[in-house]
Amino acid sequence: RKEVEQDPGPFNVPEGATVAFNCTYSNSASQSFFWYRQDCRKEPKLLMSVYSSGNEDGRFTAQLNRASQYISLLIRDSKLSDSATYLCAVNLGGTSYGKLTFGQGTILTVHP
Amino acid sequence: DAGVTQSPTHLIKTRGQHVTLRCSPISGHKSVSWYQQVLGQGPQFIFQYYEKEERGRGNFPDRFSARQFPNYSSELNVNALLLGDSALYLCASVRGQGLTGELFFGEGSRLTVL
Repeated sequence: RKEVEQDPGPFNVPEGATVAFNCTYSNSASQSFFWYRQDCRKEPKLLMSVYSSGNEDGRFTAQLNRASQYISLLIRDSKLSDSATYLCAVNLGGTSYGKLTFGQGTILTVHP
Repeated sequence: DAGVTQSPTHLIKTRGQHVTLRCSPISGHKSVSWYQQVLGQGPQFIFQYYEKEERGRGNFPDRFSARQFPNYSSELNVNALLLGDSALYLCASVRGQGLTGELFFGEGSRLTVL
């Protein structure tokens, strides 16, 4: 089993749709969780940190389920500009605080 | 303020050659991490440096090495290049201490090994 796993998709949705991605992680001691967005041939950019209480930023909502060891990202009212690869990242614990383990990414395409 | 800067942005090498990639973190950030991203996969951790000391190493062969300088910039060196080393090499500047682990990436160095 991979340490961090995502459904690679692709997800193809129309503008205005709501889409959700999940990401599972293997280590119950994992400390911190993030969603990154990566455009084609660009670097990953931090989209959201994921907090235990869940957090929302405009059309984006991130949640953490420690009992089932997954995080989720919900995108409401999808825009064409949301088309990208979404990477989840987890600090699996240990002494290397800068080390994140990434999922393979979920490809989202929003069409007119 | 400038973000994380990396150089070169693109390079082509042949098998067996050596490559040096460079990174300057965001001003005020003391830690730098290196990641390798092959097509279709998420970034994979290679190294982390903090205050010029190696703080973490991923599952990469000894052909990969790195160092951090007093000004917190960093170099990643790869010797005896293999075709499988072709990838996007990302440098990340780490904000804060503890376990927050927020990474801010540079644009990357895209390495092609022929």
